[in-house]
Amino acid sequence: EVLLMESGGGVIQRGGSLRLSCAASGFTFSGYTMSWVRQAPGKGLEWVSTITGSGGTTYYADSVKGRFTVSRDNSKNTLYLRMKSLRGEDTAIYFCAKDPKEAVGVYYYFDLWGRGTVVTVSS
Amino acid sequence: EIVLTQSPATLSLSPGERATLSCRSSESLSNHLAWYQQKPGQAPRLLIYDASNRATGIPTRFSGSGSGTDFTLTISGLEPEDFAVYYCQQRSIWPLMFTFGQGTRLEVK
Repeated sequence: EVLLMESGGGVIQRGGSLRLSCAASGFTFSGYTMSWVRQAPGKGLEWVSTITGSGGTTYYADSVKGRFTVSRDNSKNTLYLRMKSLRGEDTAIYFCAKDPKEAVGVYYYFDLWGRGTVVTVSS
Repeated sequence: EIVLTQSPATLSLSPGERATLSCRSSESLSNHLAWYQQKPGQAPRLLIYDASNRATGIPTRFSGSGSGTDFTLTISGLEPEDFAVYYCQQRSIWPLMFTFGQGTRLEVK
């Protein structure tokens, strides 16, 4: 079964740092571009970051550029999101999401999502 | 930045009725538009990709259409489990970024 499972969320003070993880199983993780998408409480979906299968290319939303770093460990089938200088507006559920096609750069949509991990930034 | 505008914000219908959800883009997308369904407390689920292709396991009552800037998700014969929030989504070529519409909440009338 193809599965994504996020972890690492929690309550963190404003200005603090946190690292999220997304464990993948059931597919050849290293072949797929992966992304992070977040959802603030009661709000819609916001793309955060994308990383290609090799980890060689990364992309970020302007709202997190310079504060968040996406990475992956293909030997552990795990995607990461390092978040620093956290703000109140970073409070959200963070989902990891998978590209539908292997080894084709960044595709146009996501075919599988994890259940998310909750990050709450407190003042 | 490409903006996706969904309408209506809320759609109130009864089971068995037909739902028509709209997604309008500020720029032409060709056919690279996807639709997702999200239920409370759950992750989004891919319904439609490339504007009109059903994802694996999606019932045939879900259909997508459109190209360019205007897209539609149609649900023919609403089932109780279809009441949820629906999002459209696109990916810009450069700078690379993904954007979502603000969502349409489909609720029981």
